[in-house]
Amino acid sequence: GAVVSQHPSWVICKSGTSVKIECRSLDFQATTMFWYRQFPKQSLMLMATSNEGSKATYEQGVEKDKFLINHASLTLSTLTVTSAHPEDSSFYICSASRGWETQYFGPGTRLLVL
Amino acid sequence: KNEVEQSPQNLTAQEGEFITINCSYSVGISALHWLQQHPGGGIVSLFMLSSGKKKHGRLIATINIQEKHSSLHITASHPRDSAVYICAVGTPNTGNQFYFGTGTSLTVIP
Repeated sequence: GAVVSQHPSWVICKSGTSVKIECRSLDFQATTMFWYRQFPKQSLMLMATSNEGSKATYEQGVEKDKFLINHASLTLSTLTVTSAHPEDSSFYICSASRGWETQYFGPGTRLLVL
Repeated sequence: KNEVEQSPQNLTAQEGEFITINCSYSVGISALHWLQQHPGGGIVSLFMLSSGKKKHGRLIATINIQEKHSSLHITASHPRDSAVYICAVGTPNTGNQFYFGTGTSLTVIP
């Protein structure tokens, strides 16, 4: 149990377009979902925390108008990178947790903005 | 200063060797987690510890709460163990947010 999926697994887009990444908890209800960004050879950087039905809490330095997060249900959260630019190219990982348990990580989405 | 420090950053071992990765932390924790990230990027949770020692197959994780230190051991290492190993801690005051170490990149040579 405790499987988290992400879609798409990779995406290439043109500069200026918006990209939506989905994170789903497949076999459990996730009260909290986390979105991370990871640069090559670096650790995960928390972008935001979202609880179902509430506005996401963004970490300092993360633009909430740039990275729109929606957590509409207990099994789905979406991250939309708006007006993407090449510097947004990165590996984006979500995780989900239920209550006070550990986080279960998705497989990640690799974004390349041309 | 990072709340979670890992060592070594990089580690190369011969197949069969016993491997130790260390993690020190400076905050009060609710639990410590060892994660494994393969080259493709996916992350797997190996252990969640709040005290003592846990074993799963060839992997052993220990934690010393007083010393704020944890170790991950791999016995009889194998090339398929090659991955980045990440130490993460959850704290009582931040819900289930994690503080992450910078990771240890392990390469096991046949």
